[in-house]
Amino acid sequence: ETGVTQTPRHLVMGMTNKKSLKCEQHLGHNAMYWYKQSAKKPLELMFVYSLEERVENNSVPSRFSPECPNSSHLFLHLHTLQPEDSALYLCASKGWAGAHTGELFFGEGSRLTVL
Amino acid sequence: KQEVTQIPAALSVPEGENLVLNCSFTDSAIYNLQWFRQDPGKGLTSLLLIQSSQREQTSGRLNASLDKSSGRSTLYIAASQPGDSATYLCAVGTGFQKLVFGTGTRLLVSP
Repeated sequence: ETGVTQTPRHLVMGMTNKKSLKCEQHLGHNAMYWYKQSAKKPLELMFVYSLEERVENNSVPSRFSPECPNSSHLFLHLHTLQPEDSALYLCASKGWAGAHTGELFFGEGSRLTVL
Repeated sequence: KQEVTQIPAALSVPEGENLVLNCSFTDSAIYNLQWFRQDPGKGLTSLLLIQSSQREQTSGRLNASLDKSSGRSTLYIAASQPGDSATYLCAVGTGFQKLVFGTGTRLLVSP
């Protein structure tokens, strides 16, 4: 079992749907991240949660809404998405929220297709 | 704004060759540099993490070096194997919780 688990692995949704991506980490970390990976582009940081508080929102449209109920779980709520939002969404965690130097661990990703 | 470039974008080698992947970054004020491997349709697997005070890290057949002053890192893979085929990504830690990624080098090792 990987230390960072993402569900679902694949999601197809229409532009009017509401869905959520889930991330769970079993590593005892207290910083969690959402990244977006589109074809031919570098990974883009979307959100950072540190000790369950959002500390970074990297100019992400409001149709993406993150939630971090505790240090082990992270959600990305999706509503009224656009086809260009189709991408691989990756969750990551890091051990100590206050450290600049920690190692980042990633989940397997959720492949999202918006029709 | 920090930018990370990886060259080459793609590389194809026969099994057994030693190879070098390159990563360059524009701002030398980094906290660390991390190399990842990504298999098609999968997440990222951390390979090596080099802190800004370190010059290199080794794990098995992998060796990563860091030259902060010149803004460069290399990932050396010894005696390549078909199982090494994947996309290799480097990322620099630039501040509070942030990693800036390159676009990766796609490696194919043929038997």
